[in-house]
Amino acid sequence: DAGVTQSPTHLIKTRGQQVTLRCSPKSGHDTVSWYQQALGQGPQFIFQYYEEEERQRGNFPDRFSGHQFPNYSSELNVNALLLGDSALYLCASSFSPGQGTDTQYFGPGTRLTVL
Amino acid sequence: AQSVTQLGSHVSVSEGALVLLRCNYSSSVPPYLFWYVQYPNQGLQLLLKYTTGATLVKGINGFEAEFKKSETSFHLTKPSAHMSDAAEYFCAVSPAYNNNDMRFGAGTRLTVKP
Repeated sequence: DAGVTQSPTHLIKTRGQQVTLRCSPKSGHDTVSWYQQALGQGPQFIFQYYEEEERQRGNFPDRFSGHQFPNYSSELNVNALLLGDSALYLCASSFSPGQGTDTQYFGPGTRLTVL
Repeated sequence: AQSVTQLGSHVSVSEGALVLLRCNYSSSVPPYLFWYVQYPNQGLQLLLKYTTGATLVKGINGFEAEFKKSETSFHLTKPSAHMSDAAEYFCAVSPAYNNNDMRFGAGTRLTVKP
């Protein structure tokens, strides 16, 4: 059983550009959450997608947006990149039996560098 | 709102010694508590979690943690450190029955000396 997969592994962009990161959840999971982990810090919650809609959002600007597809995979889009967006972006998948969600399992991450 | 404080950004132990990584949480509702481990250039792996029931939780790789509500703590321990335990450890909290918004601590880097 494949776990959570993310692509690409690494990405280099310049300021002002746009980027799309992709995530495929673990089999049986229907919920995807995205986190930003800056160097030397813990992951920060960006948002969570369930039933193709954003269910909850952390304290991130509108430049950060996402999408969930019918097969439960997800994309994270960041517009107008800033130097401060350089980080490891982690995707986590889980199963939501109700309003909440079960334990989250993380992918290996995408390392984004903004020059 | 929930938050986590991990005491000590770096912990160094000798191989075979006790590992103790400290985590204190703040939550306005009953919490779920988690410990994750992150090896270099990798994602996070779940070590153990507390949801309800027994307050002493056993996880993978010989780790365990005890939920102490009176102390708002969830410290991670392992009786005997191995070289392979060297990694970054993160404590996290979410509201019980609603894991939608998980808050992580800043992490503790564990070094194991031979």
